[in-house]
Amino acid sequence: QLQLQESGPGLVKPSETLSLTCSVSGGSISSSSYFWGWIRQPPGKGLEWIGSIYYSGSTYSNPSLKSRLTISVDTSKNQISLKLSSVTAADTAVYYCARHKRGQIVGPTTIDYWGQGTLVTVSS
Amino acid sequence: QLVLTQSPSASASLGASVKLTCSLTSGHSSYTIAWHQKQPEKGPRYLMTLHSDGSHRKGDGIPDRFSGSSSGAERYLTISSLQSEDEADYYCQTWGTGIQVFGGGTKLTVL
Repeated sequence: QLQLQESGPGLVKPSETLSLTCSVSGGSISSSSYFWGWIRQPPGKGLEWIGSIYYSGSTYSNPSLKSRLTISVDTSKNQISLKLSSVTAADTAVYYCARHKRGQIVGPTTIDYWGQGTLVTVSS
Repeated sequence: QLVLTQSPSASASLGASVKLTCSLTSGHSSYTIAWHQKQPEKGPRYLMTLHSDGSHRKGDGIPDRFSGSSSGAERYLTISSLQSEDEADYYCQTWGTGIQVFGGGTKLTVL
């Protein structure tokens, strides 16, 4: 059974960098059939796609976050990572890791597995 | 622009059926979507992938009570024999080249 587990600091100060890791077990992050992504949910709001990455390192990002975003993959550890710089209170959210099926042309498609999520609060 | 529209809320009685709607923007009526369930204090759960012809493929362990259908730019999730644990937020998701889009979600209340 595939499992995705997010980890990282639960509290980040404004203007600093938010860093999270997603550890994948029960499957290989190097599979050619999947992308791996980050999605967040601010308190009381809906889901927002952050970005997605292929095992080769190819990434797709939400244009509204792209300038602050770094997503990377470590195939040796079966992990992906998220770094979001210059955070503000608006970045307070539960952050989820997810697996996407890979489309032939479009890149990441349907999400078929989710992590449990981790709450990150931006506050001084 | 690719946008998914969902009604903010829906309600139905225990044991009844409910049909939730996800609307694609004009020009995107052929797009495939996915449905996800978000229960309080839990991570989202993938329910199914739903194509424009109404064919759908469900995730592992999703009960037969959950089904999908399509009509034009509308994508539907029908939940029959509603149970208390079906009370949750339901999100639709779609994608284009290099982008992912979520609907605003529908909060389902089971009366």
